[in-house]
Amino acid sequence: DGGITQSPKYLFRKEGQNVTLSCEQNLNHDAMYWYRQDPGQGLRLIYYSQIVNDFQKGDIAEGYSVSREKKESFPLTVTSAQKNPTAFYLCASSTNQEADTQYFGPGTRLTVL
Amino acid sequence: GQNIDQPTEMTATEGAIVQINCTYQTSGFNGLFWYQQHAGEAPTFLSYNVLDGLEEKGRFSSFLSRSKGYSYLLLKELQMKDSASYLCAVMDSNYQLIWGAGTKLIIKP
Repeated sequence: DGGITQSPKYLFRKEGQNVTLSCEQNLNHDAMYWYRQDPGQGLRLIYYSQIVNDFQKGDIAEGYSVSREKKESFPLTVTSAQKNPTAFYLCASSTNQEADTQYFGPGTRLTVL
Repeated sequence: GQNIDQPTEMTATEGAIVQINCTYQTSGFNGLFWYQQHAGEAPTFLSYNVLDGLEEKGRFSSFLSRSKGYSYLLLKELQMKDSASYLCAVMDSNYQLIWGAGTKLIIKP
């Protein structure tokens, strides 16, 4: 079955530690995205990548980093520079056709203690 | 700035009809999406409108008026499993999605 996987589902980290969230897709999609979701707010774009070895900052990239070494994988690192990292993180993918639908993974809930 | 507005919460009765509104002001327009999101889960795609009018898909329909910056999602024959948040998102001139905060729909028996 094709789809997007994120791991782990729940993640706990101590303040000051970097943490990497995994996102893998087997939909053969060129574009991948990372969003953050907080209560009472719309999804906010952190980073996106339209092709392997290339990525762009979204609206709230500060304190985050990404890599896109393979088409299938787009890991997100939450660094200690992110001031309020506790949130629900969603990864999505789409084809590179204009206005194409984004499909989401199950999300990772990160709690920083 | 870019803005998407939708009600925070709505309540409806099982078997009834509910309309969830979304108004938007964005830099350009390349379509409007509706997603359903159950608590703690991923958003799942419901509909896409780029031209004015009504798109029907089973119990769910979505309407768009570009001149008014307005869309609604219509859910008929409500079922308990329809209890979820409904997210409105507009694709702007850069093909980036601008998201509303979502409408939490509570279905009562």
